[in-house]
Amino acid sequence: GDSVTQMEGPVTLSEEAFLTINCTYTATGYPSLFWYVQYPGEGLQLLLKATKADDKGSNKGFEATYRKETTSFHLEKGSVQVSDSAVYFCALRPLGPGYALNFGKGTSLLVTP
Amino acid sequence: EAGVAQSPRYKIIEKRQSVAFWCNPISGHATLYWYQQILGQGPKLLIQFQNNGVVDDSQLPKDRFSAERLKGVDSTLKIQPAKLEDSAVYLCASAPGGSNTGELFFGEGSRLTVL
Repeated sequence: GDSVTQMEGPVTLSEEAFLTINCTYTATGYPSLFWYVQYPGEGLQLLLKATKADDKGSNKGFEATYRKETTSFHLEKGSVQVSDSAVYFCALRPLGPGYALNFGKGTSLLVTP
Repeated sequence: EAGVAQSPRYKIIEKRQSVAFWCNPISGHATLYWYQQILGQGPKLLIQFQNNGVVDDSQLPKDRFSAERLKGVDSTLKIQPAKLEDSAVYLCASAPGGSNTGELFFGEGSRLTVL
C-alpha cells in the first residue's frame, strides 16, 4: 500500500543550524504529501503540504518540495530555534475515496541553545 | 473555535478489562478519524467516519475494537477485552466533509496503558 519512510531520530541540533529531515514515499499515482508537527504536550498539527509534483510547501520557515523523480518530500529549515523542538511526521494521502492520511514513524528533533 | 476534544486523557487498566474513549470533533466537521499511535511509531488509522457512516475500518481489529458515531457528531471507541499490545495513544481527528485540503485537526489524544 501507499506509505512513507522518514529518517530515524532523534536529531539534535544547535540553535541556528540547518535542518533536513528526509522523507520518501511509495504510492500509486501522485498522492498529496504533508508534514505534521507535534510539540510537547500538544496534538498533531499541519505544518505544510504539497498536492502535486514540484509544489513547494512552506510555513514558519520550513519548506518541502514534492519531487516525483526521487519520490521525496524532505523537510528543511535554514536556521532552527529551540522552539522547533518537536516530533515531525511525514504523511501521504493516497488517491481514492476518503482522505485518511498514512503517516511515517516520526522524527524527534531537539534544538539546544 | 473549539478544537477536537477527547477524554479521558489517561487511562490505566488491566488486560482483559474494557475501556472507552470519547471524541467531540470540531463543530460542523463531517469526517472523523480514530488513529492508534504506539510509542515510537506513527499514527495508524483505525476507522474513518463520514457523518455517521463508516468509510474505512479495514485496520480495526473488530474482534476487540468497536467504534460508533451515532448522530454524526460525537464518537466513541471501545476496546474489549484489552491486550497488552493495545497500550498506545488513541488520537481522534476531524475534517470538513468534502474537504480537499487534506488537513486533519487532531485532539490531544487519550493515552492507554494496559497492565
